[in-house]
Amino acid sequence: DVKVTQSSRYLVKRTGEKVFLECVQDMDHENMFWYRQDPGLGLRLIYFSYDVKMKEKGDIPEGYSVSREKKERFSLILESASTNQTSMYLCASSSSGRADNEQFFGPGTRLTVL
Amino acid sequence: QQQVKQSPQSLIVQKGGISIINCAYENTAFDYFPWYQQFPGKGPALLIAIRPDVSEKKEGRFTISFNKSAKQFSLHIMDSQPGDSATYFCAASRFSNTGKLIFGQGTTLQVKP
Repeated sequence: DVKVTQSSRYLVKRTGEKVFLECVQDMDHENMFWYRQDPGLGLRLIYFSYDVKMKEKGDIPEGYSVSREKKERFSLILESASTNQTSMYLCASSSSGRADNEQFFGPGTRLTVL
Repeated sequence: QQQVKQSPQSLIVQKGGISIINCAYENTAFDYFPWYQQFPGKGPALLIAIRPDVSEKKEGRFTISFNKSAKQFSLHIMDSQPGDSATYFCAASRFSNTGKLIFGQGTTLQVKP
């Protein structure tokens, strides 16, 4: 059974803290994605990685960075958390080369920044 | 900018009724249109997808209708069931792309027993 796991289901942090969200996939996928989900705004792409150490900005990268040191792991970093980063964060992965390769999502991390 | 617009934001349907969710896109280079379904506490999962060389695709009770000239596509859920209650996202992509999708705003569907 294919699986994308995220390190935490719920996270509460203080303004200004550095926050790490971890994502691991067991499908040997080349592509990995970080989205944030907000009511009325849908899923918005933060960053995308198509290979180890390779990354590409999505639609809303400001305030975020990413790291992909191993193929199976993709980390989202909030360098200095702010209250407007309170959201649901979803990680996904897919195999490479074609747009119709299904994206497999993790269960999400609900981050609250106080 | 929002390249895929989805409506309605929420929808309530009686059991056995038809649920219809609409999406419109702007970029004529898009040529792959999937729908994802998300249950509470879960990540989205692929439900059904279409490419613009066909006008309709049906899988069980779920049908995508596609209108290339109007740049619109819709999801129809026939004989809606309470178990269909979920959030639905349409998306679009260029087939030759790296797999990135642009998602719509989402529709929360509630099917009443």
